[in-house]
Amino acid sequence: EIVLTQSPGTLSLSPGERATLSCRASQSVWSNYLAWYQQKPGQAPRLLIYGAYSRATGIPDRFSGSGSGTDFTLTISRLEPEDFAVYYCQQYGTSPPLTFGGGTKVEIK
Amino acid sequence: QVQLVQSGAEVKKPGASVKVSCKASGYTFTDYYIHWVRQAPGQGLEWMGWINPNSGGTQYAQKFQGRVTMTRDTSIDTAYMELRRLRSDDTAVYYCARDGGWYQLLFWFDPWGQGTLVTVSS
Repeated sequence: EIVLTQSPGTLSLSPGERATLSCRASQSVWSNYLAWYQQKPGQAPRLLIYGAYSRATGIPDRFSGSGSGTDFTLTISRLEPEDFAVYYCQQYGTSPPLTFGGGTKVEIK
Repeated sequence: QVQLVQSGAEVKKPGASVKVSCKASGYTFTDYYIHWVRQAPGQGLEWMGWINPNSGGTQYAQKFQGRVTMTRDTSIDTAYMELRRLRSDDTAVYYCARDGGWYQLLFWFDPWGQGTLVTVSS
């Protein structure tokens, strides 16, 4: 099973700042089959990025994904107030099982 | 628009079973796989398995083999997840989610249902 480790656990930033979230896999993720989700309190997760760098429908271009192999990054270029949430990465290259990272919380500084 | 609407919260005793429904709308139900993912309170996300609404075929995460059954009713565009022999650590929000692939599995999820809280307590 591929283990995904997200860092940092919590990121304290101000609106307008740049957020850089890391997701590291214990083995290479096949064909960059990696996705990112955003989850706000009391809500279901929302797909942001699939295939490591493809934005989902309706996702603003301030969100971008990059990386390959075992190291992936989600970047939010300028934080908007609605971006403060928990972010999860998920790999699906060796399904089953597919696995999620433990999450990074982006909080207001 | 594409939407998945789940059944309401449940409270169950240890050893009982629960069956959660997920009604799809806004697209052809049989064209996309449905996955189930759960989230324990304050914890991360855990994939449970998928069902192909067209064929009824399923695949379950090994952890849930023998305890979970995923089914569907194509006449009402609804998928179901039944979990048996419930334990206190099954307390979680259970989500259904549509796979991103048309007639194929891509294993990314969009959209998700609103979630169903299942509480297991004596």
